[in-house]
Amino acid sequence: AQKVTQAQTEISVVEKEDVTLDCVYETRDTTYYLFWYKQPPSGELVFLIRRNSFDEQNEISGRYSWNFQKSTSSFNFTITASQVVDSAVYFCALSVHSGNTPLVFGKGTRLSVIA
Amino acid sequence: DTGVSQNPRHKITKRGQNVTFRCDPISEHNRLYWYRQTLGQGPEFLTYFQNEAQLEKSRLLSDRFSAERPKGSFSTLEIQRTEQGDSAMYLCASSLKYLGLAGGSNEQFFGPGTRLTVL
Repeated sequence: AQKVTQAQTEISVVEKEDVTLDCVYETRDTTYYLFWYKQPPSGELVFLIRRNSFDEQNEISGRYSWNFQKSTSSFNFTITASQVVDSAVYFCALSVHSGNTPLVFGKGTRLSVIA
Repeated sequence: DTGVSQNPRHKITKRGQNVTFRCDPISEHNRLYWYRQTLGQGPEFLTYFQNEAQLEKSRLLSDRFSAERPKGSFSTLEIQRTEQGDSAMYLCASSLKYLGLAGGSNEQFFGPGTRLTVL
């Protein structure tokens, strides 16, 4: 069975601070995909990034960066110079095999960025 | 708008009534998923389709729940004899079938959800 753990329930930061959201996953499959989604107050889940199990290259996209480490089964997400608009619930999710299988989500981390 | 749409956005019903939700996926997407999200939790998988074939149902999907995707386009989720524990946000997502090196992508795109309140 697959499992995703987001140990941080809520994080509050002051605008312009950097913040890292932690994600730890469990799976016995050797081929899998990891995702991050953002759920703003409006409620709609927004896709942010996808990584497959064979690609441990970290990625930076603007103020967002991701750190994937198979050795520790972690897929952490960092927002640099946070902004109020980053306030949302962030979900880490796992899909095995081709990645077209149903997503297993963590419980989410609620990020509040205070001006 | 070419995103995933869901109707209705909100539904209030009395315990014991039947309700039906509709999901219209992104037009070229052949996979469609249903999830349920309760307050403070991540979405939980209910069932999914490839075209009109229902590929998997979660243990969460009791006999009171049924889903269809008759022509491989839109899908409906029906809950019979609703219970207060059914109150949740019901999310629909769609994706392309990932072809690996042959192309495609596997991220799921979500609709705005239908919030169900059972009184």
